[in-house]
Amino acid sequence: RKEVEQDPGPFNVPEGATVAFNCTYSNSASQSFFWYRQDCRKEPKLLMSVYSSGNEDGRFTAQLNRASQYISLLIRDSKLSDSATYLCVVKPRSSGAGSYQLTFGKGTKLSVIP
Amino acid sequence: GAGVSQSPSNKVTEKGKDVELRCDPISGHTALYWYRQSLGQGLEFLIYFQGNSAPDKSGLPSDRFSAERTGGSVSTLTIQRTQQEDSAVYLCASSQTSNSPLHFGNGTRLTVT
Repeated sequence: RKEVEQDPGPFNVPEGATVAFNCTYSNSASQSFFWYRQDCRKEPKLLMSVYSSGNEDGRFTAQLNRASQYISLLIRDSKLSDSATYLCVVKPRSSGAGSYQLTFGKGTKLSVIP
Repeated sequence: GAGVSQSPSNKVTEKGKDVELRCDPISGHTALYWYRQSLGQGLEFLIYFQGNSAPDKSGLPSDRFSAERTGGSVSTLTIQRTQQEDSAVYLCASSQTSNSPLHFGNGTRLTVT
């Protein structure tokens, strides 16, 4: 099983739609989770951290299910500007050797269509 | 303020030549990372610097790859005797601490012909 696995997509959705991305991770000791966004031929940028209780930032909602080792990102009312690749990122542990190493999924491509 | 700066933005080199990639992190950021991203692949960790501690080189794919960080600031990634499989985008990132979010540079797109 890959360390961080995502559906590569592409997800083609109309403007205004709600879309959800899923991500699974293999290391049960993982401590921190993030969603990054990467536009075509650009660098990744932090979209949001994922907390155990779930968190929301405007149209974006992130959830974590530790028991199933599963993370999700929900985007409501999709905008054209949301078109990008969304990277699921996992950090193995909070301290000690290798604790800084982020493991990136290959990303899920989203295209929002007018 | 200024973000992470990488140079060159693009580099085309012939197989067998050495290349040097530069990263200028955000001022005050103690942690610096190098990743690479091949076409259609996820980001692959290469090396990590934290303050004055010994770097974690565990991600370097071969001994042709080396990196240094001088004065706790600018870092250079050197690839000797480049091979075609080295072609990728090399991304540098810095963070305020090892637990802070990463800020990436625009990357250096390396093409080995």
